[in-house]
Amino acid sequence: QSVLTQPPSVSGAPGQTVSISCTGSNSNIGAGYAVHWYQQLPGTAPKLLMHADSTRPSGVPDRFSGSKSGSSASLAITGLQADDEATYYCQSYDSSLSGAVFGGGTQLTVL
Amino acid sequence: EVQLLESGGGLVQPGGSLRLSCAASGFTFKSYAMSWVRQAPGKGLEWVSSIVASGLTTYYADSVKGRFTVSRSNPDGTVFLQMSSLRVEDTAVYYCAKERKLSFDYWGQGALVTVSA
Repeated sequence: QSVLTQPPSVSGAPGQTVSISCTGSNSNIGAGYAVHWYQQLPGTAPKLLMHADSTRPSGVPDRFSGSKSGSSASLAITGLQADDEATYYCQSYDSSLSGAVFGGGTQLTVL
Repeated sequence: EVQLLESGGGLVQPGGSLRLSCAASGFTFKSYAMSWVRQAPGKGLEWVSSIVASGLTTYYADSVKGRFTVSRSNPDGTVFLQMSSLRVEDTAVYYCAKERKLSFDYWGQGALVTVSA
């Protein structure tokens, strides 16, 4: 069971918008620690997609956006494309565990 | 270009030991904390261990504490993960990752560790 909670799957048609939630607690997201998001394509290593809640690394399209409120965070993807099909993970730091924590991952299907 | 290249994975029996290495290049290695993150087959990501830039402080997930040891050689640009008393549930792809402000901004391609009799 993951410390951060994500929905197992989401789906949307090309061009639509989807959102992936990430819920934590008072020892991680709720304590003010930043949330980061990773995209993992099948058979590949994870790639940093969003850091510090809402900052896109160079090269990540602005179709991806992040937000955080209280103990939860969200990743939104607009204008869905077929190559967005991947598993998305949220991650933060947990002060009680003194280490990084991940969500269980959300499989995005583009219909 | 940042590159992280893991090596040392393989098949080991329960109770055995294995040492993973991660050779880093393309950035000032001695200035950044480094971490290991693993992914069991068909499962999600699990943070395993981190080591600060100087190497003087290390952190471990409860699941590996007392069995795994992380270390680094700044002159060589390499981080290591010594794994002992391995269990079947340690079977996973182990990724080396560069840390940036508590996120992981670069990842290696992963090394598969299989613990099986």
